[in-house]
Amino acid sequence: QKEVEQNSGPLSVPEGAIASLNCTYSDRGSQSFFWYRQYSGKSPELIMFIYSNGDKEDGRFTAQLNKASQYVSLLIRDSQPSDSATYLCAVNSPRDYKLSFGAGTTVTVRA
Amino acid sequence: GAGVSQSPSNKVTEKGKDVELRCDPISGHTALYWYRQSLGQGLEFLIYFQGNSAPDKSGLPSDRFSAERTGGSVSTLTIQRTQQEDSAVYLCASSFSATMSESTDTQYFGPGTRLTVL
Repeated sequence: QKEVEQNSGPLSVPEGAIASLNCTYSDRGSQSFFWYRQYSGKSPELIMFIYSNGDKEDGRFTAQLNKASQYVSLLIRDSQPSDSATYLCAVNSPRDYKLSFGAGTTVTVRA
Repeated sequence: GAGVSQSPSNKVTEKGKDVELRCDPISGHTALYWYRQSLGQGLEFLIYFQGNSAPDKSGLPSDRFSAERTGGSVSTLTIQRTQQEDSAVYLCASSFSATMSESTDTQYFGPGTRLTVL
């Protein structure tokens, strides 16, 4: 079982819609959760981090964490064509310091 | 500088040559990480530094790979006798610290070095 799994995608949404990205992780002791956005040919850019159960909102982005279900999600509201990118879920385990990344979900926002 | 910087941005080398990749972390960040991303693949962890020491080198793919960090700042990743399968984007990230607490373990990435081995 992979440490971090994401929807394989690609995910295509119309402009203005909500894009919903899901991520599950295997280490129940994980404490830190991150969403990165990666445009083609560019390096990952941090969007949000979340540590506590519940929702965390930042502009059009909302991260949701449910540690009991080992599930973290990212919602993008009012999706824009500029949101078209690959979104990487990353999890930091309590045993070490490295981030375990999911394979990423590619999102395409149709104008 | 304001962010993590890496050099060179692109490196083309011939099989069998040695290459050195450089990373300059965000000022004040004590933790530094190297990752590799092959075309269309996810990020593969290589090595991590806390200060100048690398507690875990198990992510390095072979003994041709080595890394060092001096002065708690700049790090170099060296690949000896490069092979075609080494072709990838090498990404460096830094964080304030490696201890897991809010805001201190968030990793920020540099622009990467694209390595092509012919």
